[in-house]
Amino acid sequence: QSALTQDASVSGSRGQSITMSCTGTSSDVGGYDYVSWYQQYPGKAPKVLIYDVSKRPSGISNRFSGSKSGNTASLTISGLQAEDEATYYCSSYTRSGLGVFGGGTRLTVL
Amino acid sequence: DVQLLESGGGLVQPGGSLRLSCAASGFTFNNFAMNWVRQAPGKGLEWVSAIGRSGGTYYADSVQGRFTISRDDIRNTLFLEMNSLSAEDTAVYYCAKALLPTAWVPNYYSMDIWGEGTTVTVSS
Repeated sequence: QSALTQDASVSGSRGQSITMSCTGTSSDVGGYDYVSWYQQYPGKAPKVLIYDVSKRPSGISNRFSGSKSGNTASLTISGLQAEDEATYYCSSYTRSGLGVFGGGTRLTVL
Repeated sequence: DVQLLESGGGLVQPGGSLRLSCAASGFTFNNFAMNWVRQAPGKGLEWVSAIGRSGGTYYADSVQGRFTISRDDIRNTLFLEMNSLSAEDTAVYYCAKALLPTAWVPNYYSMDIWGEGTTVTVSS
């Protein structure tokens, strides 16, 4: 299975909103509403932010939101804060019944 | 506290084998699918394998036929048996719990609890 495509990096100023994308195919992102987003700090385990495209687990700030259009899923972070600086990964269920991650997007908060 | 604790990583020669364990606590282990996810040095996350509540197993193409996932619901422990290891398998290996207590496979891959990881290095 091929990794989902994410921008290598994105940046934004504190207080701004940013959106990052995750592009797959009709065999994964486009075919199912099972996209998740994770935040990872260096040397730490990932943390789930979004599942099933747009659902937030308990305890996740509503500054994080997810959406999908066609084969591309998006994660929006509003009111950027310094602690949002991390690497973000998307993942999806695939037609073959397996999981797949994106390559990750490094977010820099200016 | 809900917790996952991996063990069993280490240095292994190419072609060798290793068995990873993941001890779970703080939740009803047999209600949830479980996953292994790895991260090579300086690289992104790679999904490796999953096992459902009833023992159904799923593998990434890169490990199919070489790795075997299993679970012991009495000891609340997840395992990953790794054979025919190569340098490409060098990574931190995380075990991760499915977020929802479901037998619906698509939900296996949303993971809410992760261990700290165990490092596997394949080198001569």
